[in-house]
Amino acid sequence: ETGVTQTPRHLVMGMTNKKSLKCEQHLGHNAMYWYKQSAKKPLELMFVYSLEERVENNSVPSRFSPECPNSSHLFLHLHTLQPEDSALYLCASSQFVGIYEQYFGPGTRLTVT
Amino acid sequence: AQTVTQSQPEMSVQEAETVTLSCTYDTSESDYYLFWYKQPPSRQMILVIRQEAYKQQNATENRFSVNFQKAAKSFSLKISDSQLGDAAMYFCAYRAPGGGADGLTFGKGTHLIIQP
Repeated sequence: ETGVTQTPRHLVMGMTNKKSLKCEQHLGHNAMYWYKQSAKKPLELMFVYSLEERVENNSVPSRFSPECPNSSHLFLHLHTLQPEDSALYLCASSQFVGIYEQYFGPGTRLTVT
Repeated sequence: AQTVTQSQPEMSVQEAETVTLSCTYDTSESDYYLFWYKQPPSRQMILVIRQEAYKQQNATENRFSVNFQKAAKSFSLKISDSQLGDAAMYFCAYRAPGGGADGLTFGKGTHLIIQP
């Protein structure tokens, strides 16, 4: 595998379920990001991790819980989501936080029923 | 707060023609970075071109070039000799300077259609 991978690519879950999204980067980067992409809205930055420490949380509801066990892996744990949380969730990585180019994964299409 | 505006939700161009996608942004910073990202139907976002605000020369990458007008806070993308593979969503993005942890601020995107 090369670049940034995300699993699953598609996920359907009920509002009472608990699920996790996984992101893995094979680029030796030190910063990782979660973005939310909703229809007709700009991409929204959710979380930023630098060297496995969370450095930004953009007022994201607590039903989204990120985890970064090491610099190559990033998870987004989901619980008691709402239908409006249905979106494409994109993971990205960069060499460090700052002006470095971000490399994106293919995304997970999440549908909350 | 910085904002990025892409006023063209959709653009269409004939294959081999040239098309320009517009982007404006609002910032109080004097030094920053601007990007154009492409998201094909397969959804993987890839960087097309990048511009540092302190550089007066417009960035160019093969058939892709930008018209960066700092005073007007405008950053348009020109695609020359359009190809079918150029069909995608194009996002303009802004990044503040310094070592802060902010991610990119994106516009809503422009859907580019290439007519064969």
